[in-house]
Amino acid sequence: GAVVSQHPSWVICKSGTSVKIECRSLDFQATTMFWYRQFPKQSLMLMATSNEGSKATYEQGVEKDKFLINHASLTLSTLTVTSAHPEDSSFYICSARESSGRRDTQYFGPGTRLTVL
Amino acid sequence: DAKTTQPTSMDCAEGRAANLPCNHSTISGNEYVYWYRQIHSQGPQYIIHGLKNNETNEMASLIITEDRKSSTLILPHATLRDTAVYYCIDSRANSGNTPLVFGKGTRLSVIA
Repeated sequence: GAVVSQHPSWVICKSGTSVKIECRSLDFQATTMFWYRQFPKQSLMLMATSNEGSKATYEQGVEKDKFLINHASLTLSTLTVTSAHPEDSSFYICSARESSGRRDTQYFGPGTRLTVL
Repeated sequence: DAKTTQPTSMDCAEGRAANLPCNHSTISGNEYVYWYRQIHSQGPQYIIHGLKNNETNEMASLIITEDRKSSTLILPHATLRDTAVYYCIDSRANSGNTPLVFGKGTRLSVIA
């Protein structure tokens, strides 16, 4: 299957700092990428839809000024958690949808574990 | 909210077939059934998807009922590495802006 990478795989930061997470589609182009987060023992929750060359679409309850998304190219989307607080500690997962011919599948990155002290 | 329902957990003996059921009674005609799994502390892994015909690949088989209101994912010979949370999701295909919406999934424990 197609490959989606994330960097970093884990990060620990102090409260009040900002953290940037990168998501790349390695062997296909993705005009749309998605960002999810997952708290312990819970399912994935969609945060936002990232569109190449335009503004992201955020789910209800997700602060767009806190979670900045930039989809600068067809293979890269970034999520910046600004002024992080301990309650932002979570597992952040990106995904990209490959739509080519018969294939139409959403592939996920390995996730980034954020711990805010 | 997720539109599928799955049992919370299941156990399966190593080497035996694991049959994971999913109900999707409100599935639309243009929606596929997708199955993913998530091993602890990893991103979800695509397994298989189908519209109305049964599907098989190197990982699993997908059996969809004729009325499309339910399906079963079959892992023919479960191993310890198949222990994971399995998610059944219905979603429109060929619609790049449509994200997958995850429910709670089924936690499969493969036991030696």
